[in-house]
Amino acid sequence: AQSVTQLGSHVSVSEGALVLLRCNYSSSVPPYLFWYVQYPNQGLQLLLKYTSAATLVKGINGFEAEFKKSETSFHLTKPSAHMSDAAEYFCAVSGGTGRRALTFGSGTRLQVQP
Amino acid sequence: GAVVSQHPSRVICKSGTSVKIECRSLDFQATTMFWYRQFPKQSLMLMATSNEGSKATYEQGVEKDKFLINHASLTLSTLTVTSAHPEDSSFYICSALQDPRTGELFFGEGSRLTVL
Repeated sequence: AQSVTQLGSHVSVSEGALVLLRCNYSSSVPPYLFWYVQYPNQGLQLLLKYTSAATLVKGINGFEAEFKKSETSFHLTKPSAHMSDAAEYFCAVSGGTGRRALTFGSGTRLQVQP
Repeated sequence: GAVVSQHPSRVICKSGTSVKIECRSLDFQATTMFWYRQFPKQSLMLMATSNEGSKATYEQGVEKDKFLINHASLTLSTLTVTSAHPEDSSFYICSALQDPRTGELFFGEGSRLTVL
């Protein structure tokens, strides 16, 4: 079974500041991990994914995440926040069993202050 | 990249009526699609797994007679909310399995259902 914990339902940063959104996972098999972003009244867009290649994964819009097996973490970071980054972010895990759906975390709402 | 189109984006209906939501994969064949429900300020709750040519697999607590899912082709899955009630009002999001190896999903734009 897989599960995801996102610490902090709300994160607020100033424009230009570092963004750090936390995600810890639990998986009985080597995981595949994803970060998705959701803007109001829209579906989810893939930001980046870890699929057992490089542990530091770069995604769209300047985001990146590092897979740390020892810490069972996959935190999302961005060096400098933009106003347009304000959205809901979801971490998700898959056991890589093909047809099984992703398990999502509870989400973190990112606010960017001017 | 892959595109999943969901329609309608918004629908308002009267209590007791049925509403159909379509989910199409536009540039790839999706043998598996997933339907999620999202309440305000909450995460996505998996409702069912839709497999092309076979019956959908529903999650525990989801009424299969209430939420009818049909996956008649490799590019189309539909969710019909039957005899809708105000408590069915929600944001419904479909997704298509893009990579069976990793479980990566591509999502539709979502459909906001309001039942009066």
